[in-house]
Parts: sequence; structure tokens; C-alpha cells
Amino acid sequence: AQSVTQLGSHVSVSEGALVLLRCNYSSSVPPYLFWYVQYPNQGLQLLLKYTTGATLVKGINGFEAEFKKSETSFHLTKPSAHMSDAAEYFCAVSNYGNNRLAFGKGNQVVVIP
Amino acid sequence: NAGVTQTPKFQVLKTGQSMTLQCAQDMNHEYMSWYRQDPGMGLRLIHYSVGAGITDQGEVPNGYNVSRSTTEDFPLRLLSAAPSQTSVYFCASSYREYYGYTFGSGTRLTVV
Repeated sequence: AQSVTQLGSHVSVSEGALVLLRCNYSSSVPPYLFWYVQYPNQGLQLLLKYTTGATLVKGINGFEAEFKKSETSFHLTKPSAHMSDAAEYFCAVSNYGNNRLAFGKGNQVVVIP
Repeated sequence: NAGVTQTPKFQVLKTGQSMTLQCAQDMNHEYMSWYRQDPGMGLRLIHYSVGAGITDQGEVPNGYNVSRSTTEDFPLRLLSAAPSQTSVYFCASSYREYYGYTFGSGTRLTVV
């Protein structure tokens, strides 16, 4: 079975500061990893994904994430937070032949002016 | 291109009532799933489908039924609503597991 751990349900960051959201996964086979963002009262939107190849992946809105197999991690970063980054962020994992996407519990990001 | 369409957006049910949450996608995706979202719990998989006529249970299937008669539609049925089913429900679809899912805008259900 695969699973995702996201620590810290609420994350506060100052405007202009680094955004860092941690994601660790458990999977017995090579994973496909995803980060989604959810704005208030909306559905989830795909930020970025890792499937194979380059381990540093870039997504929308200036976010990027790095797949580290040795650490079973896929942390999400953005160099400089904007007020518009206030949202909930979810990490998710699946793998080849398995469409059961497993989500972490999410990080609620608050951006402080 | 509408993506994933969910109806209704809001619903209030009385305990014991039944209803169907509708989900339709126009992207010809084979994979479709239903999730529920509760505060602090993330998204939990209820049921999923890998194609018309094929469905399977997720991690929280009790009290819900699904069927998939066409590629486009994947309705979720609540058989006898309970207050514990108060939640936000999301339908999602995908071409393959490595594509990432496209989500609908959700149905907010309250059971009183």
C-alpha cells in the first residue's frame, strides 16, 4: 500500500519568503508523485508532477519540487511567497498500473503581509 | 471543453434519504474516481473506475454505490444518508495514472 505524510497542517510564511512544504511517501514500487493546490471553495488543481526522468520538476505559479528516492521525499518549494499563494496544498502518490491516487492530509498555507 | 462537471453544488439531506451525485467528463478519460474531503483528513477515495463497466472500492466505500455505464458518467449514490456522510465530495478523471487527475468543483453535502 502507498501512503503520503505531510507534516504541519498549517504553515505560515511571510510575503517574499521561501515557501517549503514537505512530503514523504511510502511506495514499494517506483512512484508517480503529484502536488495539487486547492483555493477556497474550489476543486483541486495540478501544480506539478514527477513520473520519470529529471528529478527536479517545475510547475505552475513558480513552484518546483525535487524527487529524492533515497529520502522518499518530494518537497515543494517557491523562492518568494505571494499573497495569492494562500491555499491548501496536497501531495499525492500513485504508481504504474495503479490509479488509486493516495493523498496526504494537506498543508494550509497562510501568507503574512 | 467543460472538463469534469459535478451536480449539484450544494445539497441538504435528511437522515435516511437517498440521492445521487452526478459526475460527467468530456475528455474521454478512462479513469474516474470519487473522493470525500473532510477537515484534517485530506481526500479519501470512495470508489473508482478504470473504464465503462469496471468499478472497485476505495478506502471508505461503505454507504455508497457507483456504476459506470458510459465512459463519460460516473454517478455516486448514497443509499441511506447519515450525518457522518456530511462532507465535500469530489469527482476526478484521468487518462492514465501518470497524467494526474482533473477534478470537478465539488458537491457540498450536509446530512441533518
